[in-house]
Amino acid sequence: DGGITQSPKYLFRKEGQNVTLSCEQNLNHDAMYWYRQDPGQGLRLIYYSQIVNDFQKGDIAEGYSVSREKKESFPLTVTSAQKNPTAFYLCASSPPERPNTGELFFGEGSRLTVL
Amino acid sequence: GDSVTQMEGPVTLSEEAFLTINCTYTATGYPSLFWYVQYPGEGLQLLLKATKADDKGSNKGFEATYRKETTSFHLEKGSVQVSDSAVYFCALRGGNFNKFYFGSGTKLNVKP
Repeated sequence: DGGITQSPKYLFRKEGQNVTLSCEQNLNHDAMYWYRQDPGQGLRLIYYSQIVNDFQKGDIAEGYSVSREKKESFPLTVTSAQKNPTAFYLCASSPPERPNTGELFFGEGSRLTVL
Repeated sequence: GDSVTQMEGPVTLSEEAFLTINCTYTATGYPSLFWYVQYPGEGLQLLLKATKADDKGSNKGFEATYRKETTSFHLEKGSVQVSDSAVYFCALRGGNFNKFYFGSGTKLNVKP
């Protein structure tokens, strides 16, 4: 079945460590996104990528990095510079921009806890 | 810029009650509008969508109508069930950019 796979589902990190969250899609979508969700809060955009080898900062990019070397993959690295990384991270993808009628497809999320 | 505003929660209802969750938007051009649902510990799932004015999206007894004159996309269900307990997000996809804008989410609790 087509969809988005995020791994790991749960991740624990010590302070000062970088961690990488995986996101893979087989929907043949060009655009991919990373969102952060804090308890009881909405979604905040970290980074997004519209095509391979290109990505843009979202609203809260500080302390995060991404790469887009393949169409199917959009990994997110949470660096030690991120002051409060404990959160639920959601990866998503969308069909082409035009027409703008396509929806976002989400993965199941990765919960990161800093010990 | 584009934005979405939805009613704050939590909303607590008894089973079989009528549900309305308000959503209004600001957008340039001709956005598409969406409702997503999130169950605890999971990602978001598309509930319904509408891509032009006066369209009605519907799914699983939920409905929402794209009202351009009032810039609204309110979610309704005639008779809620305990299994509808979740967080509901209103969202729009802008007309000119490959970006999505989300409301802050509304938590729905349905009691037996």
